[in-house]
Amino acid sequence: AQSVTQLGSHVSVSEGALVLLRCNYSSSVPPYLFWYVQYPNQGLQLLLKYTTGATLVKGINGFEAEFKKSETSFHLTKPSAHMSDAAEYFCAVSGHTGFQKLVFGTGTRLLVSP
Amino acid sequence: GAGVSQSPSNKVTEKGKDVELRCDPISGHTALYWYRQSLGQGLEFLIYFQGNSAPDKSGLPSDRFSAERTGGSVSTLTIQRTQQEDSAVYLCASSLYFRLAGGQNTDTQYFGPGTRLTVL
Repeated sequence: AQSVTQLGSHVSVSEGALVLLRCNYSSSVPPYLFWYVQYPNQGLQLLLKYTTGATLVKGINGFEAEFKKSETSFHLTKPSAHMSDAAEYFCAVSGHTGFQKLVFGTGTRLLVSP
Repeated sequence: GAGVSQSPSNKVTEKGKDVELRCDPISGHTALYWYRQSLGQGLEFLIYFQGNSAPDKSGLPSDRFSAERTGGSVSTLTIQRTQQEDSAVYLCASSLYFRLAGGQNTDTQYFGPGTRLTVL
């Protein structure tokens, strides 16, 4: 069985500040890990994903995440927040064989103030 | 290129009516998924199609929910006798599917904009 925990339903940062969104997972098989972003009234857009290999993954819009197996974490970071980053962010986990059903966390809403 | 499209974008219906939600996947994507996003339950998997077959229907919440896919392309999610708890955003996603030595796999899922269903 797989699950995802996202700490903090809301995170507030100032424009230009570091963004850190936390994600911890549980998986009985080696996981694939994803971060998706959802803007208001839109579908989910893939930010980045970890499958195998390098544990530091770079995505779109300056985001990156690091897979830490020992901590079962996949936290999302961005060095400098922009107003356009305000959105809801979802961490998800899947297996890596067969059909990859995504199991999502409950989401974190990022608020960016000027 | 064209992404995943869904129609209608919004649907308001009365309790007890049937509704059909449509998903057009990205051309060439043989894997198709339905998810539901609701305030109480978050994002939940409903059903997965590989071609026209549905090897995993485990997320369908009741027998009022059904889905089909024809021609390996368009999919329809049908909810019969809608209830207020069915109100949610229904998201469709599609991905490539490929076989590797020793197994099979699906690729990154690309999501449509969703259909917002409101049951009065």
